[in-house]
Amino acid sequence: SQQGEEDPQALSIQEGENATMNCSYKTSINNLQWYRQNSGRGLVHLILIRSNEREKHSGRLRVTLDTSKKSSSLLITASRAADTASYFCATGFRGSSNTGKLIFGQGTTLQVKP
Amino acid sequence: KAGVTQTPRYLIKTRGQQVTLSCSPISGHRSVSWYQQTPGQGLQFLFEYFSETQRNKGNFPGRFSGRQFSNSRSEMNVSTLELGDSALYLCAGQADGNQPQHFGDGTRLSIL
Repeated sequence: SQQGEEDPQALSIQEGENATMNCSYKTSINNLQWYRQNSGRGLVHLILIRSNEREKHSGRLRVTLDTSKKSSSLLITASRAADTASYFCATGFRGSSNTGKLIFGQGTTLQVKP
Repeated sequence: KAGVTQTPRYLIKTRGQQVTLSCSPISGHRSVSWYQQTPGQGLQFLFEYFSETQRNKGNFPGRFSGRQFSNSRSEMNVSTLELGDSALYLCAGQADGNQPQHFGDGTRLSIL
């Protein structure tokens, strides 16, 4: 079974608005990553946040991590139509920090209307 | 530098057949992981190879296997195909465990 749970499952906003997606996980992690997937394509890495970090920024993206609540959030500010995609959180396990096994959430489908 | 290359992009097979998918990671990425993506189960980890050795394995039956070559290219094989094996198969390369994974565009496998 998948470890990550994402909320909401679907989100529809207008261009220029902010979009927030949440992710929860169950066990101790080494890092948490966010990926974007456009329809029928592979996953594009957005941000990796390590378990000892609380917040990270990259352009219009802001990720927070709360290990006490086992949760993370992804904020996309000033959204654009091109941000329309599915967004996934993925966790790398503590205890297997040198392996490539990622556990993905179910994803949030974001639609940004022009 | 070149991205992750997966071939073929699309494949149609019938039940009972076998299939081999290929993945070439970014140069220098010695770890290759495979994932299966379906509408019902989402993204599920299949296995990971590092230095030609399987380092981690997900909960898939033995019909799913893989290997890695000395140049880090990886193949996965699925034998005795079932309808439920229809999925997008993604591979990802990684430099080390605390770095992001870089994904190919996947192979869309359809079983008739």
